[in-house]
Amino acid sequence: TQLLEQSPQFLSIQEGENLTVYCNSSSVFSSLQWYRQEPGEGPVLLVTVVTGGEVKKLKRLTFQFGDARKDSSLHITAAQPGDTGLYLCAGDANNNDMRFGAGTRLTVKP
Amino acid sequence: DAGITQSPRHKVTETGTPVTLRCHQTENHRYMYWYRQDPGHGLRLIHYSYGVKDTDKGEVSDGYSVSRSKTEDFLLTLESATSSQTSVYFCAISGTRGDNEKLFFGSGTQLSVL
Repeated sequence: TQLLEQSPQFLSIQEGENLTVYCNSSSVFSSLQWYRQEPGEGPVLLVTVVTGGEVKKLKRLTFQFGDARKDSSLHITAAQPGDTGLYLCAGDANNNDMRFGAGTRLTVKP
Repeated sequence: DAGITQSPRHKVTETGTPVTLRCHQTENHRYMYWYRQDPGHGLRLIHYSYGVKDTDKGEVSDGYSVSRSKTEDFLLTLESATSSQTSVYFCAISGTRGDNEKLFFGSGTQLSVL
């Protein structure tokens, strides 16, 4: 079983729609990160959240860290084809090893 | 983009043969990591290094060894490759560990063990 469970596993939407993807765990994390990975490339860090309840915005992307620091969500407003990719969450469960979820594969159709 | 180069980018090998993957960085970062990525499992840490000749095991280290003789180079060796080691391997670097850790990844090596 994954330490970090991401849902949904796959998501296909039309350009302009809004979406939310989730990253859940039964463990408490000192921080959570979100990465985006495009085909044939390595993941690229989007954001790090460290405080329970924290909300960070990156243009059309809104990241939230749960109050109990066990979960996080990523909301994309007015999705564009350029948002297509694999979204990974990763957490440091206080042992200094970043553990990754299996990811949500997002496809945004023009 | 962080200066991380992985080589080779693609490799096909046979079961039982030794394989070495190379990661080279130009960022002078202290920490270097090897991950493997498989469908349904995400990225899993194999080994990492916290300095020259200082390495430690990760979550899935069995069947793998690493070496770091210079700050800029981190080698991953499969002593006797098995089909279960068919995967995409990513090298990553960071300047810190813990809450301020920011991982920068290379472009990956696709390894197929036949």
